[in-house]
Amino acid sequence: QQQVKQSPQSLIVQKGGISIINCAYENTAFDYFPWYQQFPGKGPALLIAIRPDVSEKKEGRFTISFNKSAKQFSLHIMDSQPGDSATYFCAGSGSARQLTFGSGTQLTVLP
Amino acid sequence: DGGITQSPKYLFRKEGQNVTLSCEQNLNHDAMYWYRQDPGQGLRLIYYSQIVNDFQKGDIAEGYSVSREKKESFPLTVTSAQKNPTAFYLCASSLQGQITEAFFGQGTRLTVV
Repeated sequence: QQQVKQSPQSLIVQKGGISIINCAYENTAFDYFPWYQQFPGKGPALLIAIRPDVSEKKEGRFTISFNKSAKQFSLHIMDSQPGDSATYFCAGSGSARQLTFGSGTQLTVLP
Repeated sequence: DGGITQSPKYLFRKEGQNVTLSCEQNLNHDAMYWYRQDPGQGLRLIYYSQIVNDFQKGDIAEGYSVSREKKESFPLTVTSAQKNPTAFYLCASSLQGQITEAFFGQGTRLTVV
């Protein structure tokens, strides 16, 4: 049972463009929504995270938009760069502090 | 430097053999986790431990075993009962009971030959 659905599975964007990755969750007990970035052969690293008491969080070129009523959240990467090419995972976490991950989005930014 | 160390980076196993993957952290984190990563399936939780000498099954625990004898260490054994063990295994840790990030190791790629 997949509790966090992520789309698209892959995404190709031109340098300077906007990359958008979407996630939907089912568990209303989730209260922490991180995004992780993973490069090939490496472990994931936290990119940005949000709590459901805010609708948007921005850190540099990365923004999370959160819609609590729709149980959806998305990652926007502005001015995408080739160095952003990686796999991105959304996740949700509740009181048990276990992360439930989406299936991942492989982002390719063309030079 | 603080962090999580997984070893080995690559591991080959013959069918029918048990293998143990090492995970050590010096972040003083109470909670540790093992995830399995397969292409297109994200990360799936195998086992987790919130305190020494205690651990719980995750979503795909069958064919795996763990121990937590020390706060710093959380080894994972892939047993011969695991029917499809070829995968990328990731260990993570976090502070217990807080909304905080999980830190991941660099992973171990296990291949059955």
